[in-house]
Amino acid sequence: QVQLVQSAAEVKKPGASVKVSCKASGYTFTDYGISWVRQAPGQGLEWIAWISTYTENIDYPQKLRGRITLTTDTSTSTAYMELRSLTSDDTAMYYCARDGNIYFENSGRAEYFDLWGRGTLVTVSS
Amino acid sequence: DIVMTQSPDSLAVSLGERATINCKSSQTVLYNSNNKNYLGWYQQKPGQPPKLLIYWASTRESGVPDRFSGSGSGTDFTLTISSLQAEDVAVYYCQQYYRTPPTFGQGTKVEIK
Repeated sequence: QVQLVQSAAEVKKPGASVKVSCKASGYTFTDYGISWVRQAPGQGLEWIAWISTYTENIDYPQKLRGRITLTTDTSTSTAYMELRSLTSDDTAMYYCARDGNIYFENSGRAEYFDLWGRGTLVTVSS
Repeated sequence: DIVMTQSPDSLAVSLGERATINCKSSQTVLYNSNNKNYLGWYQQKPGQPPKLLIYWASTRESGVPDRFSGSGSGTDFTLTISSLQAEDVAVYYCQQYYRTPPTFGQGTKVEIK
């Protein structure tokens, strides 16, 4: 079935890096972009990055520039998000989410999200 | 960044009654060239990822019950649950995708009275 399966929870020390994976199945991976959205404990939703799986164009907010890297492996239909120099503020559930519009109808950036992974909990603690 | 503000933060509604959630954006999310409002609504139940309910402000996602409806244009939007069911207890978020970064409202918690 159509789904996004994310990697297991991670515990990291401050200053470390984490790499989260998101494996797509049930649809053509390169037809839809992938965003990453995080949710700190008890808090709301924060979009942190988007990649076009078709063009590999990337977008992320200024506050994360230099700390985040997005990649894809089309041979395994998997998207990856790496976040470096972790602090306690990065403790959150990290979701991958699929664009609601197919690539040729997409505006070239993150739009709305029609399919979500179950999330990967990243805990940053000394 | 476009700031999305929801009201109320929480509400308690009796089963079968109407629930109304408001969302206001700090600038318009209506794209004049295609007359579309770049606004979506999500439902999140405890321990689950968000689920898309509405996009383009009023288009219901496939499989979403018709008791959920979205309305509004420009900067003011509403999500209405016409007859609240027990399974609708959740936090609801609006999200704009008119301009990057896409931003979410703070969420509205819906409970049973």
